Amino acid sequence: NAGVTQTPKFRVLKTGQSMTLLCAQDMNHEYMYWYRQDPGMGLRLIHYSVGEGTTAKGEVPDGYNVSRLKKQNFLLGLESAAPSQTSVYFCASSYNYEQYFGPGTRLTVT
Amino acid sequence: GQQLNQSPQSMFIQEGEDVSMNCTSSSIFNTWLWYKQDPGEGPVLLIALYKAGELTSNGRLTAQFGITRKDSFLNISASIPSDVGIYFCAGPPTAKNAGNMLTFGGGTRLMVKP
Repeated sequence: NAGVTQTPKFRVLKTGQSMTLLCAQDMNHEYMYWYRQDPGMGLRLIHYSVGEGTTAKGEVPDGYNVSRLKKQNFLLGLESAAPSQTSVYFCASSYNYEQYFGPGTRLTVT
Repeated sequence: GQQLNQSPQSMFIQEGEDVSMNCTSSSIFNTWLWYKQDPGEGPVLLIALYKAGELTSNGRLTAQFGITRKDSFLNISASIPSDVGIYFCAGPPTAKNAGNMLTFGGGTRLMVKP
């Protein structure tokens, strides 16, 4: 099992550009999450999903959209990137409270 | 919302020493999780605790679910250089939580001197 995978690993965007981060899990988990991690801020929940076709807002959802068209995939989109979205993004999945994380995507917006 | 406070924020120890860190909350938690994050990697689940007073080990790591349900402790015995990283505690808020969401502590950064 690969667990939770994320693509890409690194990305540099210019302000105003758009992109999609892909998360995939092969553990048949119902729940999936997107977090951002900034120095001194810990992990903050952006959006989450309780199952295929459902999404919900987390703590810091502004500027992001998500989709869960297939159970194994959770996409995070930035429609118009801003420098404040420079961060490391982590995806996680779970079937209970034990969340399993991907390796992260380091995004820089210039 | 419920917050988790971890202490110490960082610690620099000699290889071979034992390490203790804790996580506290002003509210009750029914589950405590401990994660480790290596530099440049995602957090990895170390130990999960589900019962007040529970003491669980994973190799050189031992975690305890506090009797008051408001705290948890993680101990590492005989530290080695690969123990370097950030240790996070986490738990699900007791308010309505349909998404199995977790609250994370700010982390304890551990540095080990060979």
